[in-house]
Amino acid sequence: ETGVTQTPRHLVMGMTNKKSLKCEQHLGHNAMYWYKQSAKKPLELMFVYSLEERVENNSVPSRFSPECPNSSHLFLHLHTLQPEDSALYLCASSQEWQGVEAFFGQGTRLTVV
Amino acid sequence: ELKVEQNPLFLSMQEGKNYTIYCNYSTTSDRLYWYRQDPGKSLESLFVLLSNGAVKQEGRLMASLDTKARLSTLHITAAVHDLSATYFCAVDMRDSNYQLIWGAGTKLIIKP
Repeated sequence: ETGVTQTPRHLVMGMTNKKSLKCEQHLGHNAMYWYKQSAKKPLELMFVYSLEERVENNSVPSRFSPECPNSSHLFLHLHTLQPEDSALYLCASSQEWQGVEAFFGQGTRLTVV
Repeated sequence: ELKVEQNPLFLSMQEGKNYTIYCNYSTTSDRLYWYRQDPGKSLESLFVLLSNGAVKQEGRLMASLDTKARLSTLHITAAVHDLSATYFCAVDMRDSNYQLIWGAGTKLIIKP
């Protein structure tokens, strides 16, 4: 139990589908993150939320839409994805959003067909 | 350009041997992190290095930081099979507004 829980663990979706990834943290942290991990690439930061406000959006296509309803929950809404979006999507949280250690969830393995 | 480079990217070694993974970064940093990731699993925090000359040890792993050389090392002593994993370093850099910049990871395979 890492304190950061992601669901689902695996997801296969068609390019016309709409789905959502969910992340929940039980650590009392104020910041939450979405990362994308593709084969043979460094971890890519997608979005950062601090106290439920988005503070960073690293040029992510609009087919990825984050939502942070409260400091414990983070969603990533997916629509009209492309096969190249297939990857491991990792959620993380930290006490603050700058310069502190992050704790990661198990990830959602996404396959777009 | 803000870069974090790890080497080697892949390492296969025998149990009982010693080896070092290197992490170089391109600009001023306040903190450096080492993480471990097992296949299909999450990233687990190993070490947080906060200052020049910092050294931390946990079991057979020892991490050090030289901020002048912009270099961190992760040293493995008398490797055992359970240490097989991918190891990532990450750096928060002032030039990136303290967001973490990640290395590509070092996949370590330790053969019995």
